[in-house]
Amino acid sequence: QVHLVQSGAEMKKPGASVKVSCKASGYTFTSFLIHWVRQAPGQGLEWMGIINPSGGSPTFAQKFQGRVTMTTDTSTSIVYVELSSLRSDDTAMYYCARDWGCTNGFCPLEYWGQGTLVTVSS
Amino acid sequence: EIVLTQSPDTLPLSPGETATLSCRASQSVYSAYLAWYQQKPGQAPRLLIYGASSRATGIPDRFSGSGSGTDFTLTISRLEPEDFAVYYCQHYGSSLRTFGQGTKLQIK
Repeated sequence: QVHLVQSGAEMKKPGASVKVSCKASGYTFTSFLIHWVRQAPGQGLEWMGIINPSGGSPTFAQKFQGRVTMTTDTSTSIVYVELSSLRSDDTAMYYCARDWGCTNGFCPLEYWGQGTLVTVSS
Repeated sequence: EIVLTQSPDTLPLSPGETATLSCRASQSVYSAYLAWYQQKPGQAPRLLIYGASSRATGIPDRFSGSGSGTDFTLTISRLEPEDFAVYYCQHYGSSLRTFGQGTKLQIK
């Protein structure tokens, strides 16, 4: 069955970068889009962006433009998100999520990783 | 970017009652691209409703979605103790997906 397993918790200082991984299994990696969603403590869900593991440029929410990078490694079925110039308000749980595969690319999120807590503190 | 506003922020109800949660979009959206998710503490969100009114696999028929244009509703009938959670709507019909801020359904 489908599994998305994320890397472990990270603690970073302001101004640093963090790279979180999401390893996919149980399906054809290049056939489904992967999204990144974050959730600050006690707050709601915030969509960060989307990447197509089969190729093409990722799409990011405007507030993350210039600070976020999303990449994939098809040899290992891993998706990465990297956020730079970290601030205290980047402290959040970061989730990867897979959509269920639609021909037009517009699908809801069916499978989620377990989340990776990123803490930014001096 | 479409902004989704959910109401109320908190909804106190008792088991057995019916919950009505609202999601309003800043501009008209195609209902085929409106989803609802449930999130319990310490867990990732779970897809409940897609296409505004279709239940995802394994979701009880106590959960129903409706709406079109800018106004969408999630209705939960005969509330069970496990239904008390936070609910989010999401628009996924554009390159920039967005979530509402969430409604917390809590036990009265």
